[in-house]
Amino acid sequence: QTVVTQEPSFSVSPGGTVTLTCGLTSGSVSSSYYPSWYQQTPGQAPRTLIYNTNTRSSGVPDRFSGSILGNKAALTITGAQADDESDYYCALYMGSGINVFGVGTKVTVL
Amino acid sequence: QVQLVESGGGVVQAGRSLRLSCAASGFTFSTHGMHWVRQAPGKGLEWLAVIWYDGSYKYYADSVKGRFTISRDSSKNTLYLQMNSLRAEDTAVYYCAREPDFWSGQRGYLDYWGQGTLVTVSS
Repeated sequence: QTVVTQEPSFSVSPGGTVTLTCGLTSGSVSSSYYPSWYQQTPGQAPRTLIYNTNTRSSGVPDRFSGSILGNKAALTITGAQADDESDYYCALYMGSGINVFGVGTKVTVL
Repeated sequence: QVQLVESGGGVVQAGRSLRLSCAASGFTFSTHGMHWVRQAPGKGLEWLAVIWYDGSYKYYADSVKGRFTISRDSSKNTLYLQMNSLRAEDTAVYYCAREPDFWSGQRGYLDYWGQGTLVTVSS
């Protein structure tokens, strides 16, 4: 069974930088998994931030960037703002339309 | 603009069935694969099922395989999720989501989401 790992939580200061990662309990994440990232605030539907490892969705600020770091996918927030305080989920594509989500990372800006 | 509106949620007893609908508008429904994703209270997102743009293939998460059925009616621009043998652990907000146009060559992500519909299974 595929398990996608994420850090449970991060805290970042306003204006600071934070990097979230997305890994696999067995194996490495590469661009072949088309990593994507979603932002969700309480009570709201998820919002697509990044797809295909590093492509920002329309309207997403350029302070959000995606990459592969070592054997994981990564989401970096540079110059964090108060309204970046959210839950962030990565997803990996397994082919045929099948996606697997990570457990999510709660980001606090303070 | 793209809109996905889920409906059909509510309170249901364990062991019973429920059918969710997702009305799509603002895009060509018949060229996009569609997904169901759920989120239990206080938990993360769980991918459940996908149906290809033409309905030719359907895939499910192990947690719902054999109990849930995804389908679509392109004449009504509507996606469905038939949920049978419901369990308490199926209590969640259910989202429908779209993937990019099949013919765009883009793969592997969900680009638009509905607002979700809450399903509560009482035991």
